[in-house]
Amino acid sequence: GQQLNQSPQSMFIQEGEDVSMNCTSSSIFNTWLWYKQDPGEGPVLLIALYKAGELTSNGRLTAQFGITRKDSFLNISASIPSDVGIYFCAGQLGSGGGADGLTFGKGTHLIIQP
Amino acid sequence: GAGVSQSPRYKVAKRGQDVALRCDPISGHVSLFWYQQALGQGPEFLTYFQNEAQLDKSGLPSDRFFAERPEGSVSTLKIQRTQQEDSAVYLCASSFRDPGRTDTQYFGPGTRLTVL
Repeated sequence: GQQLNQSPQSMFIQEGEDVSMNCTSSSIFNTWLWYKQDPGEGPVLLIALYKAGELTSNGRLTAQFGITRKDSFLNISASIPSDVGIYFCAGQLGSGGGADGLTFGKGTHLIIQP
Repeated sequence: GAGVSQSPRYKVAKRGQDVALRCDPISGHVSLFWYQQALGQGPEFLTYFQNEAQLDKSGLPSDRFFAERPEGSVSTLKIQRTQQEDSAVYLCASSFRDPGRTDTQYFGPGTRLTVL
C-alpha cells in the first residue's frame, strides 16, 4: 500500500542535540500527524497539524505542515534519553472531522548516545 | 483501563490455522480502525468501523481477512488459513469522531502474530 517517504531512516545523536526529520508525499493530505512508538506499544500522538503552513509546538517538539500539503517536518530540541524510539509521520485525507484511515511513513529510528 | 486494549498480546499460529484478534476500544468511541504493521515498517490501514457499520475495508489484503463489530463496541479481526506473510503486529485504534478537528486516533498495544 501507499506509504509516505520519511527520512532519515535512523539517527544516532548525542544527548542534548537537536533532531530534525521530515516526510514527503506525492499526494496531498489535509491533516498531518506525528506519532512516537516505543517497543511493544502502539503509536502515541505527538502533534497534529490541520492547516497548510501551520507551525505547532508541543514542549520541545515543533512540527510544520508544508504549504503544498505534501510534506511535513518534526524537530526535537535538546534531546533527552527518553526521546529514544521510532517516530512516524502520518497523513490523513480528512480534515479531522471525518474519520478515515491514516497513511504512515516507514519511521525514523532515533538513538541517543549518552 | 482507560485506553484501547487488545488481546491476545502475542499469538503463534501454524500455517493454515484460523486466528481471532480482539480489540476493546475506549468507551464511547464511535470509530474503530485496524492496522497491520510488518517488521520495520509503518502501520498500514486495513479497515474502519463507525459504530457497527464497516465503512471501509479497502485495506484488507485478501478475503481471508474478516473484521466485525456487531454491537458497535468490541471488534474482532479474523484471519482464516493463516500464511507466513500474515506475520505482523495488528494494531487497533479508536476515536471519538468529534465533528471538529480533534478526531485523534488512540492506538492499542497491538497483537503480535507469528505464523510458523
